[in-house]
Amino acid sequence: DAGVTQSPTHLIKTRGQQVTLRCSPKSGHDTVSWYQQALGQGPQFIFQYYEEEERQRGNFPDRFSGHQFPNYSSELNVNALLLGDSALYLCASSFSFETQYFGPGTRLLVL
Amino acid sequence: DAKTTQPPSMDCAEGRAANLPCNHSTISGNEYVYWYRQIHSQGPQYIIHGLKNNETNEMASLIITEDRKSSTLILPHATLRDTAVYYCIVHPGNTPLVFGKGTRLSVIA
Repeated sequence: DAGVTQSPTHLIKTRGQQVTLRCSPKSGHDTVSWYQQALGQGPQFIFQYYEEEERQRGNFPDRFSGHQFPNYSSELNVNALLLGDSALYLCASSFSFETQYFGPGTRLLVL
Repeated sequence: DAKTTQPPSMDCAEGRAANLPCNHSTISGNEYVYWYRQIHSQGPQYIIHGLKNNETNEMASLIITEDRKSSTLILPHATLRDTAVYYCIVHPGNTPLVFGKGTRLSVIA
């Protein structure tokens, strides 16, 4: 049984560009949450998707958007990239509100 | 803000038990205590969680005090691969996980 998978593993972008990160949940999970982890900090909640809708959102600007597909996979989109968006982006999946399991993350570097 | 307090760092000798404390004095009745760990540059790994009773799985044991204001994660025989940042999180289930700074555990040969 594959765990949570994320792609790509690493990404380099320049300021002003847009990026899309992808996440496939564990088998049987229907909920996907996204977190941002800056260097030396704990993960910070961005938003959560359930039944293809954003269910909860953290304190992140509208430049951060997402989508969940019928197969429960999810995308995180970030527009107009800033240097401060450089971070490890983590996806976690769960069955509804149960235990969240994290993927390996996508490391984004904005130059 | 995180509702837990953990020591910033701890050392443990390889093969000995690692006991990681966590204070959560404002925990609510419906909040679980969750433990995750994060090995350098990897995604957080779920370890264990509990509500009131002590819990044990193949990775660790979780001891929760009777008043639920503190808990201890026990790794019975620490190995070098257990070196990581350990996060204690109180979580009712229907809200996002809120991570604090965690405890950096160093297992020493």
